[in-house]
Amino acid sequence: QQQVKQSPQSLIVQKGGISIINCAYENTAFDYFPWYQQFPGKGPALLIAIRPDVSEKKEGRFTISFNKSAKQFSLHIMDSQPGDSATYFCAVSFSSGSARQLTFGSGTQLTVLP
Amino acid sequence: NAGVTQTPKFRVLKTGQSMTLLCAQDMNHEYMYWYRQDPGMGLRLIHYSVGEGTTAKGEVPDGYNVSRLKKQNFLLGLESAAPSQTSVYFCASSYRRGEQYFGPGTRLTVT
Repeated sequence: QQQVKQSPQSLIVQKGGISIINCAYENTAFDYFPWYQQFPGKGPALLIAIRPDVSEKKEGRFTISFNKSAKQFSLHIMDSQPGDSATYFCAVSFSSGSARQLTFGSGTQLTVLP
Repeated sequence: NAGVTQTPKFRVLKTGQSMTLLCAQDMNHEYMYWYRQDPGMGLRLIHYSVGEGTTAKGEVPDGYNVSRLKKQNFLLGLESAAPSQTSVYFCASSYRRGEQYFGPGTRLTVT
């Protein structure tokens, strides 16, 4: 059972455009919603994260929009740059005992054209 | 600080062979994790550890064993490799429930 569904699988955006990646989840017990960025040959790195008590979080050009009732959250990249070309993963998590287990979406390969 | 390091970076195994992947972190993190990454499937948690001497199963633990004898090291073992274990393996570490920091990965091919 896929706990988080991510779309689109790939995305091509012109430089300066807005990139939008969406994720949907089922389990309302999730309490942590991070986005990871991964460049080829590297490990994922935390980009931005949100908790369900807020509807939006912005860090620079990156914004998470969170819709608790729809069980959806999305990543918006404003003024997209070629350096943003990477694979983006959403994830969901809830505290299980003493550990925080992340369940990842299937990833979106973003290409920003110069 | 080196952060999270993984050895080896690449490995090719024949079916039935065994090997151990080593993860080391110098951030004094309590928690460590092993994930596998397959095309179109994101990352899936194999095993994790909340402290020295403790391990627990994740989402896809079958065919793997782990050990955490030292706080800074987390080993992932494959006793009898299968082609289905061809993947990229990532180790991560964190302070308790905080941000997980990932290593650069190990690309494993089982023929």
